[in-house]
Amino acid sequence: DQQVKQNSPSLSVQEGRISILNCDYTNSMFDYFLWYKKYPAEGPTFLISISSIKDKNEDGRFTVFLNKSAKHLSLHIVPSQPGDSAVYFCAASDYRGSWGKLQFGAGTQVVVTP
Amino acid sequence: GAVVSQHPSRVICKSGTSVKIECRSLDFQATTMFWYRQFPKQSLMLMATSNEGSKATYEQGVEKDKFLINHASLTLSTLTVTSAHPEDSSFYICSARDSYQGAVSPLHFGNGTRLTVT
Repeated sequence: DQQVKQNSPSLSVQEGRISILNCDYTNSMFDYFLWYKKYPAEGPTFLISISSIKDKNEDGRFTVFLNKSAKHLSLHIVPSQPGDSAVYFCAASDYRGSWGKLQFGAGTQVVVTP
Repeated sequence: GAVVSQHPSRVICKSGTSVKIECRSLDFQATTMFWYRQFPKQSLMLMATSNEGSKATYEQGVEKDKFLINHASLTLSTLTVTSAHPEDSSFYICSARDSYQGAVSPLHFGNGTRLTVT
């Protein structure tokens, strides 16, 4: 049973515009959420995280928003750059109950066009 | 930042042989490491949690006798795929967290190992 869902398998966005990636989860025990970026044949690279006590976290061009009541989070990339083209994975953890184990979504392939 | 080194990056082996994959945390200690597997165009699936000095914890459906995990030190975990078969062909990725940073800190991933069993 997929506890973390990314319903958009792909996203195409023009350079300079905003990329918005969405993620939904079903396990109400999740309290730590992360976004990873992955290039082919490489391991995921950590981008940004948010704990359940916050509803927003910002790091440069990346902002993650968390809506706990809706069990939904999103990643905003502004402005999008060609180097942002990659697969983005949403991940979640119930860090108290399962120290460190992350559940991943299926990923969203982002293509940034010039 | 934290670096996780995984070796080899790519391996091709014959059916029935065993393959060992190493995962090292280069600039931090990791009492716990995680092994993931990714099929083409699918998500990363957690296979097992590797615990330094004790037995690994396997996720449901993962055969512990086929995927042997050893976490001999605070910086090294190994995954051995025993008696490999073509269906074991996949992308295997290890990850680790700095033990001193605690649970609420990101996992850092190795670059993965592409295993092809012929």
